[in-house]
Amino acid sequence: EAEVAQSPRYKITEKSQAVAFWCDPISGHATLYWYRQILGQGPELLVQFQDESVVDDSQLPKDRFSAERLKGVDSTLKIQPAELGDSAMYLCASSPRQGAVGNSPLHFGNGTRLTVT
Amino acid sequence: QKEVEQDPGPLSVPEGAIVSLNCTYSNSAFQYFMWYRQYSRKGPELLMYTYSSGNKEDGRFTAQVDKSSKYISLFIRDSQPSDSATYLCAFSSGNTGKLIFGQGTTLQVKP
Repeated sequence: EAEVAQSPRYKITEKSQAVAFWCDPISGHATLYWYRQILGQGPELLVQFQDESVVDDSQLPKDRFSAERLKGVDSTLKIQPAELGDSAMYLCASSPRQGAVGNSPLHFGNGTRLTVT
Repeated sequence: QKEVEQDPGPLSVPEGAIVSLNCTYSNSAFQYFMWYRQYSRKGPELLMYTYSSGNKEDGRFTAQVDKSSKYISLFIRDSQPSDSATYLCAFSSGNTGKLIFGQGTTLQVKP
C-alpha cells in the first residue's frame, strides 16, 4: 500500500537554528497537509495545499514558519529560527482531493519528531 | 471552553473487555465525526467516520454520535492487545481536510 514519506524521522536542533522537513505524498494526491502534534495533544493543522496553492495557512506562525509545494508534488516545511516551544511531531498527510472522509480520507505519514534544545 | 474535550486516560483493560472512548464538542457546525488510531511513533490512521447521529458498526468497532448532546463515542468489543494505541476523535465542519482533533485517549489492553 502506498504511503506518505517523511524525512528525517528525528531531528534535534538548537534554538535559533533553522530546520526543514520534507514530505512526499502518495502519488496522485492533489491535497497535502502539514499538521503539528505536541506531545500528549491531538494534531493541529498548520497549512493545507491544493496542488501547489495554499488554501489554508491560518494557523501557520508566518513569522518563523514557511511551507512550499513548488511543483504540486512534494513539500517542505521550514522553521527559522526554531524555538523551544516548536518541539513536537510534524505530520504530513495527503488525500486525493480536498476531503476528510469517504473516498478522500487523509493518509498520514509517520512524522518528523523535532526536539529543540 | 475547548472545542473538543477528550479524556486522555490512560485506560488499561484486560483482553476481551469492552472499551468505551468518548468525546464532547461545542461547535454545532461540525458535520463529520471521525475516530483515528495512532500507534506509538506512527501517524494517525482513520478508523471510522460518520456524519449522522446514530450508530455505525465495523467489526468489533462501533461509532456512536449524539448531535443533540454533542457527544461521540467509540466502542471496542472483545478488545485485543493489538488495539493498544492512542485513539483520537476528530471533527470537520465540512468535508475538508481541516480536522479538529481531541487530545487522544491512550489505551492499553493487557493479555
